[in-house]
Amino acid sequence: QVQLVQSGAEVKKPGASVRVSCTASGYMFPANYIHWVRQAPGQGLEWLGRINPNRAATNYAQNFQGRVIMTSDTSVTTAYLELNSLRTDDTAFYFCAREKRNTFDFWGQGTLVTVSS
Amino acid sequence: DIQVAQTPSSLPATVGDTVTITCRPSQNINSLLNWYQHKPGGAPKLLIYAASSLQSGVPSRFSGSGSGTNFTLTIRSLQPEDFVSYYCQQSYSIPYTFGGGTKVEI
Repeated sequence: QVQLVQSGAEVKKPGASVRVSCTASGYMFPANYIHWVRQAPGQGLEWLGRINPNRAATNYAQNFQGRVIMTSDTSVTTAYLELNSLRTDDTAFYFCAREKRNTFDFWGQGTLVTVSS
Repeated sequence: DIQVAQTPSSLPATVGDTVTITCRPSQNINSLLNWYQHKPGGAPKLLIYAASSLQSGVPSRFSGSGSGTNFTLTIRSLQPEDFVSYYCQQSYSIPYTFGGGTKVEI
């Protein structure tokens, strides 16, 4: 069955960087985009961007241009989200999700990133 | 970018009620509108895709309708586990924007 398993919680100081991983199983990893979405405390869902694991092509939300890098490694069926220059308002749960036919049909369990001095 | 206006943000209801949530994208998205349920501490779950198709395993009390710039999610006979948050999402063009969310609460 399809599964997306994310790395564990992170605590970072303002200005630091964080990398979250998302390991896929149960399907052909290169065949589907992986998207990243976050939810800050008390806020809604916010789309950060997506990566095509087959070609490593990316699209980023304008709000995160210059601060976010999405990569993938097909040899270990894993996608990565790197967010730089962290601020306290980057504190959020970060989710990866598989895109199939214009839907996010499977999601990772979420990774809590806490940014605090 | 396509903006998605979702209403209401909070929806008081009681077990057994029928409730409706509305999403209005800022431009025509044909039928490329999805609905997700989000429980606290968990990952969002796909309920409805392409405006009106029920995702496998989702109870039939959930239904979606609409096209273009006007969409609705209807939940019939609310169950206790349905008192969580719901989000619509347009998947017509990148960025795949979400509505602001609706919390169904007692």
